Amino acid sequence: DIQMTQSPSSLSAPVGDRVTITCRASQSISSYLNWYQQKAGKAPKLLIYAASSLQSGVPSRFSGSGSGTDFTLTISSLQPEDFATYYCQQTYSTLQLTFGGGTKVEIK
Amino acid sequence: QVQVQESGPGLVKPSQTLSLTCTVSGGSISSGSYSWSWIRQPAGKGLEWIGRIYASGSTNYNPSLKSRVTISVDTSKNQFSLRLSSVTAADTAVYYCARAKYHITLFGVVTYRDAFDIWGQGTMVTVSS
Repeated sequence: DIQMTQSPSSLSAPVGDRVTITCRASQSISSYLNWYQQKAGKAPKLLIYAASSLQSGVPSRFSGSGSGTDFTLTISSLQPEDFATYYCQQTYSTLQLTFGGGTKVEIK
Repeated sequence: QVQVQESGPGLVKPSQTLSLTCTVSGGSISSGSYSWSWIRQPAGKGLEWIGRIYASGSTNYNPSLKSRVTISVDTSKNQFSLRLSSVTAADTAVYYCARAKYHITLFGVVTYRDAFDIWGQGTMVTVSS
């Protein structure tokens, strides 16, 4: 199966900061990569699909990039409501979808 | 606006079968370019995809769970269901149902797939005697 490794596992940043989260796949997955945001006690929310396409209704401060094995999720200016855990998900191996381990973004 | 909602017992005994249902409202389970999945998350841990079903009834399961999982669909009720047999404490988790979107061009190129755009609120299932 394709392993997805996120880094860092957690980070602390002040409101207004630019934040970047990295996701690395154990093999090339083209652009079959999605990003989700999960707040405590809530279901995940789709932010980015196909590596760089912004899901409808998601603020434009979120962006995604990358292809092959290396991907990034960027929050251009961190807002109070952005404190959450973020997950990447590969969809290249459609018979065995896998998620990264998560990155917890905390307030500084 | 399409919504999905999980329902089922919150407590299951070891070795028994976990059964959950996901009800789709605000739209037909048969319309559009979508599949319907179950995903679980043990407390404090990450997400694990369990499997998917299409309105046609075609299914795919996570190989790690395949021998114990059955997903079915009832289009007349706009529902799909999960059965997980021979459960142990390791199956204790929040179980989510979700809709996944995909897009295939006229030339047959998959531009994206399995993007879970609608999720239920999740239901906690504990395996304990």
